[in-house]
Amino acid sequence: NAGVTQTPKFRILKIGQSMTLQCTQDMNHNYMYWYRQDPGMGLKLIYYSVGAGITDKGEVPNGYNVSRSTTEDFPLRLELAAPSQTSVYFCASSSGSMNTIYFGEGSWLTVV
Amino acid sequence: QQQVKQSPQSLIVQKGGISIINCAYENTAFDYFPWYQQFPGKGPALLIAIRPDVSEKKEGRFTISFNKSAKQFSLHIMDSQPGDSATYFCAASSRTGNQFYFGTGTSLTVIP
Repeated sequence: NAGVTQTPKFRILKIGQSMTLQCTQDMNHNYMYWYRQDPGMGLKLIYYSVGAGITDKGEVPNGYNVSRSTTEDFPLRLELAAPSQTSVYFCASSSGSMNTIYFGEGSWLTVV
Repeated sequence: QQQVKQSPQSLIVQKGGISIINCAYENTAFDYFPWYQQFPGKGPALLIAIRPDVSEKKEGRFTISFNKSAKQFSLHIMDSQPGDSATYFCAASSRTGNQFYFGTGTSLTVIP
């Protein structure tokens, strides 16, 4: 019953550092998403993928990159971390745009 | 531009009372409207969802009311309990799109 698993849970980065948030799902979902959540701002879509090898930008893609080499994995890369990237990041998956989205537990990232 | 507008931002209700959260949308292509519930430190989880062929859907104490002509939908929580204290997100998607669009969230506090 793993569902969507994302790591790490918590991370502190220094300005200019880079890191990768890992995400894997075991439900064989084609659709995967990365959201960031900031207080009072709801969930903002960073990137999404509708299948292996296919990725597309969401609402707030600047400063991030993704890849989707397998159905299961959808890592999010932060390049040159900035304080504005301090946020909670959620990976999610779905079998389609008319179906339930399953979220991971979240990754708390602080850039100092 | 916020595709789905949600109100209120926060809500305080006495135990046993009715909690009402409202959402509005503009895109008439939307045809799936889920509500997600998020507890502190956790990812959002599907609570209840509706498709526009019905005007109301009820699951236990939770009801979605849908007004297609007004492009509005709302979540009603009957007999609200302290355990319902959480953040609630409405969302919308379409069968022809690949994204879910989330509201900005409502923080519900149910006072014992």
